[in-house]
Amino acid sequence: KAGVTQTPRYLIKTRGQQVTLSCSPISGHRSVSWYQQTPGQGLQFLFEYFSETQRNKGNFPGRFSGRQFSNSRSEMNVSTLELGDSALYLCASSLWGPDEKLFFGSGTQLSVL
Amino acid sequence: DQQVKQNSPSLSVQEGRISILNCDYTNSMFDYFLWYKKYPAEGPTFLISISSIKDKNEDGRFTVFLNKSAKHLSLHIVPSQPGDSAVYFCAASANQAGTALIFGKGTTLSVSS
Repeated sequence: KAGVTQTPRYLIKTRGQQVTLSCSPISGHRSVSWYQQTPGQGLQFLFEYFSETQRNKGNFPGRFSGRQFSNSRSEMNVSTLELGDSALYLCASSLWGPDEKLFFGSGTQLSVL
Repeated sequence: DQQVKQNSPSLSVQEGRISILNCDYTNSMFDYFLWYKKYPAEGPTFLISISSIKDKNEDGRFTVFLNKSAKHLSLHIVPSQPGDSAVYFCAASANQAGTALIFGKGTTLSVSS
């Protein structure tokens, strides 16, 4: 069974631009969560989608948004990029929810210059 | 306010010895705890979990201990191997549907041969 796939692996953007990251969950998994990891920080929860609905959201500004499609694939968008948005963005999928064992993708490394 | 704390950023151990990674939590509603391992340029992978109804769970060389009264859990790796060198994240969740896993900041384990 294929794992969680995230594209692209690396991105370089400049301040003020926007970016869209993509995530394909494990087949059959309906919950997709997004996390941000920065140096010295743990994994900070962004949001979770289940059956195309956002069920839970972390403490991030409205510039961070996401969506989920009917095939469970998910995208997250960051608008008006700031230098502090440089991070590894991880997507994770699970069968039912974000509070059970999560399967993570390899992440998208975003650098904002 | 950090609900899950890993107070040791790093730990160095010799091959064959025991590695003990610690994690403290503040939210008494947490009832499910997990450990993840992360190598550079990869997403975290699930290692072992424990429910609050237990105080110990073993899986091969890995054992997790939970002390609910102290709100403390630890991961023991015996014997440690060089391939165990990675960042270890502790995570916790409360029994509420859709509540996200809360992660600690991680401990970098270095096992020398």
